[in-house]
Amino acid sequence: GAVVSQHPSWVICKSGTSVKIECRSLDFQATTMFWYRQFPKQSLMLMATSNEGSKATYEQGVEKDKFLINHASLTLSTLTVTSAHPEDSSFYICSARADSYEQYFGPGTRLTVT
Amino acid sequence: AQSVTQLDSHVSVSEGTPVLLRCNYSSSYSPSLFWYVQHPNKGLQLLLKYTSAATLVKGINGFEAEFKKSETSFHLTKPSAHMSDAAEYFCVVRTNTGGFKTIFGAGTRLFVKA
Repeated sequence: GAVVSQHPSWVICKSGTSVKIECRSLDFQATTMFWYRQFPKQSLMLMATSNEGSKATYEQGVEKDKFLINHASLTLSTLTVTSAHPEDSSFYICSARADSYEQYFGPGTRLTVT
Repeated sequence: AQSVTQLDSHVSVSEGTPVLLRCNYSSSYSPSLFWYVQHPNKGLQLLLKYTSAATLVKGINGFEAEFKKSETSFHLTKPSAHMSDAAEYFCVVRTNTGGFKTIFGAGTRLFVKA
């Protein structure tokens, strides 16, 4: 089946710094990518949807200036958490969709802000 | 509008006994339904999916689910629990009518006692 990778799998950063998370579709072209956030013991919450070459669509309540999403190619999307704070610590999961109806999930990135 | 309700936040079973994780959905359109499993600090793994074919769907690791339109349910079952089944389980509704949309349930934590 299709594979989605994320890098890094785990990152620690200091408060006030920025961190970039990469999401790649390894064996298919992803016309749409999704970014989710998951707090401990909670479900996944959709943060934003991005289509290749266009601006991301953010869900209500998600700060687009804080969570920068770039979908520059059909196999790569990045999420940059700018000026990170401890409350941004979370598990971030990306997902990719090809032209088919299928949606594939990455393994997630654990972000800890100290 | 689409929604999904997982009726139990946690379920505890003894090893070797049956597992039942309940899920009810609401959708204005014909949905696709999925069950995913997430082990601690891991990404999502697809257990099974229903996409308007057979109403009884068999998945990996001995899990199966039955789509019951009259009850708007998609409960997940397994005849005999194994210790390795202890994890978080998410019921997911997806539609592609009126826009591609994926809705996650709140999750059910499965505990398996020796």
